[in-house]
Amino acid sequence: DVKVTQSSRYLVKRTGEKVFLECVQDMDHENMFWYRQDPGLGLRLIYFSYDVKMKEKGDIPEGYSVSREKKERFSLILESASTNQTSMYLCASSSRRVGTEAFFGQGTRLTVV
Amino acid sequence: KQEVTQIPAALSVPEGENLVLNCSFTDSAIYNLQWFRQDPGKGLTSLLLIQSSQREQTSGRLNASLDKSSGRSTLYIAASQPGDSATYLCAVSFLMDSNYQLIWGAGTKLIIKP
Repeated sequence: DVKVTQSSRYLVKRTGEKVFLECVQDMDHENMFWYRQDPGLGLRLIYFSYDVKMKEKGDIPEGYSVSREKKERFSLILESASTNQTSMYLCASSSRRVGTEAFFGQGTRLTVV
Repeated sequence: KQEVTQIPAALSVPEGENLVLNCSFTDSAIYNLQWFRQDPGKGLTSLLLIQSSQREQTSGRLNASLDKSSGRSTLYIAASQPGDSATYLCAVSFLMDSNYQLIWGAGTKLIIKP
């Protein structure tokens, strides 16, 4: 069974903290994505990666960075958490082969206080 | 630029009814279209994937169709149940500058009333 696993379901962090959100997939997928989801705004792409050590900015990269040191792991980093980064964060992965599905993790609900 | 629109944004129907959710996209050069379900506060679950060469896919009470030329897909849910209540999202995949892209609709929030 395919699996994308996010390290935490719920996180509460303080303003100014450095926050790491981890995502691991066991499908040997090349592509990995980080999204945030907010009411009324839908899914918005933060960063994505097409290969190890490769990263591309999505629609809303400001305030975030990512790391992909290994193929199976894609980390989202909030350098200095702010209250407007309170959101649901979703990780996804897919094969580079044309026409394949994207699979999602269970999501991390991050609250910054 | 590829845009994906889902109408309606919300839908409430009595249990047992058949219903249709709509997804439209502006650029027909897609590789596939995927329908997802999301329950409140949780991640996404893939429901159906339709390749660009296919017209429809079926899974249980769900049937998804794809008309690439008109830029439309529908998700048909037969004999709706309260457990079908969720937000349904569609996403299209395509190649842009040699990179794989996924573009999402905003979703349709479905409520099935017992």
